[in-house]
Amino acid sequence: GAVVSQHPSWVICKSGTSVKIECRSLDFQATTMFWYRQFPKQSLMLMATSNEGSKATYEQGVEKDKFLINHASLTLSTLTVTSAHPEDSSFYICSARGGDREGYTFGSGTRLTVV
Amino acid sequence: QKEVEQDPGPLSVPEGAIVSLNCTYSNSAFQYFMWYRQYSRKGPELLMYTYSSGNKEDGRFTAQVDKSSKYISLFIRDSQPSDSATYLCAMASGYALNFGKGTSLLVTP
Repeated sequence: GAVVSQHPSWVICKSGTSVKIECRSLDFQATTMFWYRQFPKQSLMLMATSNEGSKATYEQGVEKDKFLINHASLTLSTLTVTSAHPEDSSFYICSARGGDREGYTFGSGTRLTVV
Repeated sequence: QKEVEQDPGPLSVPEGAIVSLNCTYSNSAFQYFMWYRQYSRKGPELLMYTYSSGNKEDGRFTAQVDKSSKYISLFIRDSQPSDSATYLCAMASGYALNFGKGTSLLVTP
């Protein structure tokens, strides 16, 4: 199989606090995972590529100090939104490629609301 | 010009109709082509994956790729109300995916 589990599915936090989102590949090893952000009625925008055991690669315009990515094992990548602000409110989705199916498998997404 | 262009719709069809969804792209390096379905507030679900020109069929879904025209299509036969969702085309040359904006589809009973 190729199942990607993402947690939490939704979170509300106060402005200035940090939020951690987890992405796990349940039945396969993923040396590379991807983090996307999606605003309402918009497409998925790649934020960064997470590589196991090394630093993440961030897309242009994405603040690496604000969106901390850690890929400590072959099955887990985390995205931490530090000092969150209302403009960070969005739908964050992770994906990985691997397992016994072609293509990229996505997690179920995390709805972040910063108040 | 964006690398992947997709008409956002919305597209409304009656149940049983054949649906045609399309994307164009500009990067000739793209080798892998995918179609995803996304329900509201959910992650995308892979429908079709292909890496060559031509047609690929899976049940009611047919993916078509024309690399010479940089044009891909997804056809849905005998559309059902449960097919109502946003359909995203995606393509890649390496690891990272490039998505279209998504087409919102509504199939009415």
